[in-house]
Amino acid sequence: GQQLNQSPQSMFIQEGEDVSMNCTSSSIFNTWLWYKQDPGEGPVLLIALYKAGELTSNGRLTAQFGITRKDSFLNISASIPSDVGIYFCAGAGANSKLTFGKGITLSVRP
Amino acid sequence: GAGVSQSPSNKVTEKGKDVELRCDPISGHTALYWYRQSLGQGLEFLIYFQGNSAPDKSGLPSDRFSAERTGGSVSTLTIQRTQQEDSAVYLCASSFLGQGGDTQYFGPGTRLTVL
Repeated sequence: GQQLNQSPQSMFIQEGEDVSMNCTSSSIFNTWLWYKQDPGEGPVLLIALYKAGELTSNGRLTAQFGITRKDSFLNISASIPSDVGIYFCAGAGANSKLTFGKGITLSVRP
Repeated sequence: GAGVSQSPSNKVTEKGKDVELRCDPISGHTALYWYRQSLGQGLEFLIYFQGNSAPDKSGLPSDRFSAERTGGSVSTLTIQRTQQEDSAVYLCASSFLGQGGDTQYFGPGTRLTVL
């Protein structure tokens, strides 16, 4: 079946640093999404990418949809403590069914 | 309501018992999705509704799992004869049309613990 790979499982950065997360897939997706999940909450959409090569920003977040449609990255610039959480990449199929990566837990040291 | 709501927020049950999990989607959203999140894992797709129909049930792990949706709104996920491996957070999401590129909004989830 389709799989999305995210690694490492955890990342630790200092407040103010930039961080980049990558996601790769064994299959092509038409839409890539990045979600953030806080403890006890459902995932919240950060950025959606609809076109190969697309580069999209949302405040301090920037994400790109790879040309091959099999990968995407998310950059967070000038990290702050509230950036702590689990970041998931997801690929959307024809009926918008999402296939998720296993997530990266981000810790930010003040 | 303003967002997707789920109940109960936590459910502890004994092995072999049946459980029902409820999802109230955002009003007007035609598509509804159920996902399962096990500890340290990503979200695993279970089932998708378009209106009251379920065109994709491919993610249901066994015939002990079933779901229904009535009135194009509330959905119930039922797990019969629960097993310990069913312990997970069950997340519901809804979207306006259920088409490619449509944003899914997630509820807070129901944490199920099977003893």
